[in-house]
Amino acid sequence: AQSVTQLGSHVSVSEGALVLLRCNYSSSVPPYLFWYVQYPNQGLQLLLKYTSAATLVKGINGFEAEFKKSETSFHLTKPSAHMSDAAEYFCAVTSGGSNYKLTFGKGTLLTVNP
Amino acid sequence: NAGVMQNPRHLVRRRGQEARLRCSPMKGHSHVYWYRQLPEEGLKFMVYLQKENIIDESGMPKERFSAEFPKEGPSILRIQQVVRGDSAAYFCASSFVEGAGNTIYFGEGSWLTVV
Repeated sequence: AQSVTQLGSHVSVSEGALVLLRCNYSSSVPPYLFWYVQYPNQGLQLLLKYTSAATLVKGINGFEAEFKKSETSFHLTKPSAHMSDAAEYFCAVTSGGSNYKLTFGKGTLLTVNP
Repeated sequence: NAGVMQNPRHLVRRRGQEARLRCSPMKGHSHVYWYRQLPEEGLKFMVYLQKENIIDESGMPKERFSAEFPKEGPSILRIQQVVRGDSAAYFCASSFVEGAGNTIYFGEGSWLTVV
């Protein structure tokens, strides 16, 4: 069985500050990992994904994430927060050769203060 | 290229009524998935369909819920005799192929409220 834990249901940063959203996973087989962003009353947009290639993955809107197998982590970062980054962020994992049965974390709500 | 289209975006039903949610996948995509997002929770997989076939329905509640993806037309998620606990956001997603690492694209969701 696979699972995802997102530490911190709510993260608040100042505009221009570093964004760090934490994600730890468990999987019995090599995982594929994803970060999605959800703006209010909208669907999920893929930010980036890890599929066993480079461990540092760059995504859209200046976000990146690093896969650390030893720590079973896939934390999302952005050097400088922008007001438009305020949204809910979901980490997800899938494994076993399937891409559709994503297991999502409960999400982290990011607030950006002026 | 239009994305995954869902309708209605918002639906209000009284307890005991039926809810039908529709999903048109992205052009060229033949794999459709439904997920449900309960309040303050992450999305949970419900069902995976290809044209005229249910591939995996392991996440579907045993009763009242059904899904189809006919040869022609959108995929339909049907909830019979809705109860308050069915109030949630239902997301449809699609992909071109099914396989590890291939991206699935989500629609904007259908928010069901049961009163």
